[in-house]
Amino acid sequence: ETGVTQSPTHLIKTRGQQVTLRCSSQSGHNTVSWYQQALGQGPQFIFQYYREEENGRGNFPPRFSGLQFPNYSSELNVNALELDDSALYLCASSFGLAGFSTDTQYFGPGTRLTVL
Amino acid sequence: GNSVTQMEGPVTLSEEAFLTINCTYTATGYPSLFWYVQYPGEGLQLLLKATKADDKGSNKGFEATYRKETTSFHLEKGSVQVSDSAVYFCALSDDGSSNTGKLIFGQGTTLQVKP
Repeated sequence: ETGVTQSPTHLIKTRGQQVTLRCSSQSGHNTVSWYQQALGQGPQFIFQYYREEENGRGNFPPRFSGLQFPNYSSELNVNALELDDSALYLCASSFGLAGFSTDTQYFGPGTRLTVL
Repeated sequence: GNSVTQMEGPVTLSEEAFLTINCTYTATGYPSLFWYVQYPGEGLQLLLKATKADDKGSNKGFEATYRKETTSFHLEKGSVQVSDSAVYFCALSDDGSSNTGKLIFGQGTTLQVKP
């Protein structure tokens, strides 16, 4: 069974740039959630994708957007990067039915984004 | 809204000491409760979970009991090892206000175990 994988591991960008982070979900999972973890803090929910559609969103601006593909892998896109976007971005996969995903979420290793 | 509060760290213990990390929550409905662990430079690993009141989750010598009357889910281990040094996060699954089961995390508690 393959776990959740994320790429790249680390990324350095400058303010105003755009970034795309990628996530492959665990085998058998159809739901992907993205979280932002600032240094020294707990993760904060960004949004969730279920069967290629956004299924819920946290308190993040529209410049945070995502995609989910037919194989259930996912991308997180952040436009117009700000210094405060520097964080560890975590992807978690789970199994949901009809858009209800209350199953346990399994996390990937994360992508460390630094915005200069 | 729903929230999780953990005891502040760092918690520093000697090897073989008893560990308790306190976690309390505020939630509508009946959320599932989780403990995740994060080792340095890594993502989150599920440590244990409980889905209803009075359930006890356990794994690798760690355990926590879902206490609805005190809205708590304290993490305990009888004898810690140096390899248990990590950041521990308590979380609840926000089943009540959305259908995403999104996780709401506490701020994390750093555990340092000294030989």
